[in-house]
Amino acid sequence: DAKTTQPPSMDCAEGRAANLPCNHSTISGNEYVYWYRQIHSQGPQYIIHGLKNNETNEMASLIITEDRKSSTLILPHATLRDTAVYYCIVRAGPSNNAGNMLTFGGGTRLMVKP
Amino acid sequence: DAGVTQSPTHLIKTRGQQVTLRCSPISGHKSVSWYQQVLGQGPQFIFQYYEKEERGRGNFPDRFSARQFPNYSSELNVNALLLGDSALYLCASSRGGNRGPYEQYFGPGTRLTVT
Repeated sequence: DAKTTQPPSMDCAEGRAANLPCNHSTISGNEYVYWYRQIHSQGPQYIIHGLKNNETNEMASLIITEDRKSSTLILPHATLRDTAVYYCIVRAGPSNNAGNMLTFGGGTRLMVKP
Repeated sequence: DAGVTQSPTHLIKTRGQQVTLRCSPISGHKSVSWYQQVLGQGPQFIFQYYEKEERGRGNFPDRFSARQFPNYSSELNVNALLLGDSALYLCASSRGGNRGPYEQYFGPGTRLTVT
């Protein structure tokens, strides 16, 4: 699976949009971009994933560049409860491996401030 | 529906002992994966099971083993515990199958402390 690069930490004001970048310049054609977050001492929480189109759900939006070498996770109105470590993960698509493992990097520690 | 459940929540063991951690996946999920998270680092993949068969193994010693039962629950066993095995052990479940990838849902983890 392709490696990802994320800034180690970011701050965001409560109520503002949080934009978390991720570089995955070696991504291949069948690899998806996944985002998870982990609030202190809890299990990681799935946020969103995409292949090449932008995606949106009730938690966030995922913007993937046309060349797919980078992406941005957007939390439209950050709250204090969004303070967490956010992981960007690139993972292969359908295969006979029935799910595929997730390779976590260091992630971005997002601090939402009042 | 209940999420992924893990037991016990916390565990303290002595070096050289053996430990068994348990995981129940989300209803309808057939794949279970195990991860180890050492303090200050991201989770590291240990095993994946699908339909009771091992489908993936991370870079962990043979002291680590796992199995999946007919009801898709799973156990992770660690023998001859070392101080370095102290970590949060996470279980994740997903639907599994060849039409994936499927998102994985994590349990709250078991905090293992080896003294």
